[in-house]
Amino acid sequence: QSVLTQPPSASGTPGQRVTISCSGSSSNIGSNTVNWYQQLPGTAPKLLIYSNNQRPSGVPDRFSGSKSGTSASLAISGLQSEDEADYYCEAWDDSLNGVVFGGGTKLTVL
Amino acid sequence: QVQPEQSGAEVKKPGASVKVSCKASGYTFTSYDINWVRQATGQGLEWMGWTNPNSGNTGYAQKFQGRVTMTRNTSISTAYMELSSLRSEDTAVYYCARAPIWSGYSNYYMDVWGKGTTVTVSS
Repeated sequence: QSVLTQPPSASGTPGQRVTISCSGSSSNIGSNTVNWYQQLPGTAPKLLIYSNNQRPSGVPDRFSGSKSGTSASLAISGLQSEDEADYYCEAWDDSLNGVVFGGGTKLTVL
Repeated sequence: QVQPEQSGAEVKKPGASVKVSCKASGYTFTSYDINWVRQATGQGLEWMGWTNPNSGNTGYAQKFQGRVTMTRNTSISTAYMELSSLRSEDTAVYYCARAPIWSGYSNYYMDVWGKGTTVTVSS
């Protein structure tokens, strides 16, 4: 069981907007910023969103992040087939004194 | 090329140890922590710990305490992760990933990842 909770799957059609949730607690999301990673099939994870809502250079503005209290969300607008991947949320946990991940959400583009 | 270069695939017997390397290039090695994250086939990401290449300080996930050792050699900009007493459940892809030291723990993120090293534990 992962410390951060994500839905195992999500789906949408091309052009649609989808959101993926990530739920934590006061010791992780409630106290620290949230990051999101995209993992395309057979590849290493890639930083998608950091510090709750910042996009690294090269990440399309179709991807956005938000945080409220002990929960966070990743939104993908204008869904494209190449967005089909696994998405993970992550944060530092003050109680565990380390990084914690969500279990991952498999996004399918129908 | 900022992406770290990881060592090649390993096959080990149960009870043995494995040491995976992660060579940094294209950036100042001592300005970024090196984290180790593993992923079993079909499973999610599991954080193992971090090392600060500048100080040599380390932090390990409780699950791996006593079984993992993270070190570095600053002269060749390389970090290492050694896992001992291997069992079949340790079969996974092991990734190294850098994290900016200046971000601090409250704002910690891993911005560049290696391609991964496959470790197979089998008798």
